[in-house]
Amino acid sequence: SQQGEEDPQALSIQEGENATMNCSYKTSINNLQWYRQNSGRGLVHLILIRSNEREKHSGRLRVTLDTSKKSSSLLITASRAADTASYFCATGNTGTASKLTFGTGTRLQVTL
Amino acid sequence: DAGITQSPRYKITETGRQVTLMCHQTWSHSYMFWYRQDLGHGLRLIYYSAAADITDKGEVPDGYVVSRSKTENFPLTLESATRSQTSVYFCASSERRASNVYSNQPQHFGDGTRLSIL
Repeated sequence: SQQGEEDPQALSIQEGENATMNCSYKTSINNLQWYRQNSGRGLVHLILIRSNEREKHSGRLRVTLDTSKKSSSLLITASRAADTASYFCATGNTGTASKLTFGTGTRLQVTL
Repeated sequence: DAGITQSPRYKITETGRQVTLMCHQTWSHSYMFWYRQDLGHGLRLIYYSAAADITDKGEVPDGYVVSRSKTENFPLTLESATRSQTSVYFCASSERRASNVYSNQPQHFGDGTRLSIL
């Protein structure tokens, strides 16, 4: 069963705009991770936020985590055409050691 | 080159045939995973392995077999392929860390095998 659900399923914006994707999950987590998948390729890890952290930045990426609401958001600032991809959240759940549970993803289209 | 490689990239086979998907990683990561990706389902875990000779079922293991005789290889076998197993298959690996609190390390993915079963 899916742990994470991303919202929206699809997002279309123009280059230079910000893109925000949301993820909700159901059970206690160790950490939450965001991945990007370009068409025809494997997933690439973007950023990891631990359960005791509330916000984390990496370049143009900003991730927030609200464990009380069991939700996270990924903000991509000043989007570029190269950011066009699908984005997935994945939760590392308490007691599952190595495993991650992935959501169904948000498809982001950035147009010129 | 270092990384994780999957082969073949594309495969077409018929129902009832046995097919093996290969996965090789050069990082000596302890953990390896097999996922399938289908529209509307995201990634679903088929099997995973914590070390050589240690494997365990994931969410959708039926119809699949894995082995891990060496740390770097983690083949996935469909013993008698069915149309419902048509999918894109991804292999991934991750490190083992000593701390249990900060487990669930980032996973590194191959580029997938697109499998079609006719």
